[in-house]
Amino acid sequence: DAGVIQSPRHEVTEMGQEVTLRCKPISGHNSLFWYRQTMMRGLELLIYFNNNVPIDDSGMPEDRFSAKMPNASFSTLKIQPSEPRDSAVYFCASSLAGAKNIQYFGAGTRLSVL
Amino acid sequence: KQEVTQIPAALSVPEGENLVLNCSFTDSAIYNLQWFRQDPGKGLTSLLLIQSSQREQTSGRLNASLDKSSGRSTLYIAASQPGDSATYLCAPNNAGNMLTFGGGTRLMVKP
Repeated sequence: DAGVIQSPRHEVTEMGQEVTLRCKPISGHNSLFWYRQTMMRGLELLIYFNNNVPIDDSGMPEDRFSAKMPNASFSTLKIQPSEPRDSAVYFCASSLAGAKNIQYFGAGTRLSVL
Repeated sequence: KQEVTQIPAALSVPEGENLVLNCSFTDSAIYNLQWFRQDPGKGLTSLLLIQSSQREQTSGRLNASLDKSSGRSTLYIAASQPGDSATYLCAPNNAGNMLTFGGGTRLMVKP
């Protein structure tokens, strides 16, 4: 399996622009997670889907952030409008559902908002 | 809210040393705990997952222990190698499959 695939790997944009990050989970996995990593706050869970349904979005920082999972093989994280403080590495992870299962991470998208 | 602390924040050792990375967490009602490795500019790689009912889990030169009641886990690396240089993160799982990450220990193993 190719693992969790994220695109783009790097994104540079200007403040106020819309940004869309993409994730393809491992085939057969039915849980998907979006995380954000910054130097100041470390790794934080933003939102978690189970069987394409958002289960917990309490980590989404503001209404400017939204995430969708239209099918089992694709998810997006959108920031609109983007701000410089959104600059971070965004990771997607997937797993089989259930507390006992390992999460597998993608390589991440490094976002820079100027 | 779960809070996770990893000590030390950074560690530099000569090749061949055995070392221990520490992780403490405030909420002991966990399902399991995962240890991850992160190389610079890369994603996370799962090293070990230790279930709440287990005391230890081993993989090659790595051994993770868990003391759930005291909110502690350790990652033991035997005979360290330069290739072990990376950041090591622990993440307890409290609710379903939601992980809370520590700040990590940045390890440098010098040849």
